Amino acid sequence: EVQLVESGGGLVKPGGSLRLSCAASGFTFSNAWMSWVRQAPGKGLEWVGRIKSKIDGGTTDYAAPVKGRFTISRDDSKNTLYLQMNSLKTEDTAVYYCTTETTSGYFDYWGQGTLVTVSS
Amino acid sequence: DIQMTQSPSSLSASVGDRVTITCRASQSISSYLNWYQQKPGKAPNLLIYAASSLQSGVPSRFSGSGSGTDFTLTISSLQPEDFATYYCQQSYSTQYTFGQGTKLEIK
Repeated sequence: EVQLVESGGGLVKPGGSLRLSCAASGFTFSNAWMSWVRQAPGKGLEWVGRIKSKIDGGTTDYAAPVKGRFTISRDDSKNTLYLQMNSLKTEDTAVYYCTTETTSGYFDYWGQGTLVTVSS
Repeated sequence: DIQMTQSPSSLSASVGDRVTITCRASQSISSYLNWYQQKPGKAPNLLIYAASSLQSGVPSRFSGSGSGTDFTLTISSLQPEDFATYYCQQSYSTQYTFGQGTKLEIK
């Protein structure tokens, strides 16, 4: 059974940093493309960024609102995905979901999400 | 970025009704269109990928159609567990974007 478990969310002040983790199990993590998708309170879904598998280059892509502030990385030895978030803004407040991403660009498995609140 | 527009934004329907939700892209996206269902407090769940392919385990009352810029999600006979919010998502561009959502409520 595929499981994705996010952790690391919490309250942070504007300008601060936070690192989210996503522990994966039930599939071959090293072969998977992984994405982060977020959802502000009461709002819709927003793709944050992706990291490809190392065999596919291990490259990353980011949505414009987070590019230059957020970094996605992976540790295949630990089956863990990370999202490093710097220079946080109030508009980054959201539930952050870890997802598996197929090479066709859809998200077939999702974690339960972790809430990040950016507030002074 | 490719803009995705869903209509309606909300919809009231009864158990047993046939329901159609529309998603329109700001440019042609071929068949790179996916649909998700989200219930309150839960993560989204993939229903349809590549415009019309049913994800494994999803009931056959869900179907998708369309190509280019216009797409539809149809639920043939609404069940109580189908009342939720539905999102479309384009994967034509690597800058993925979602529609704003359609909230399906019980009449």
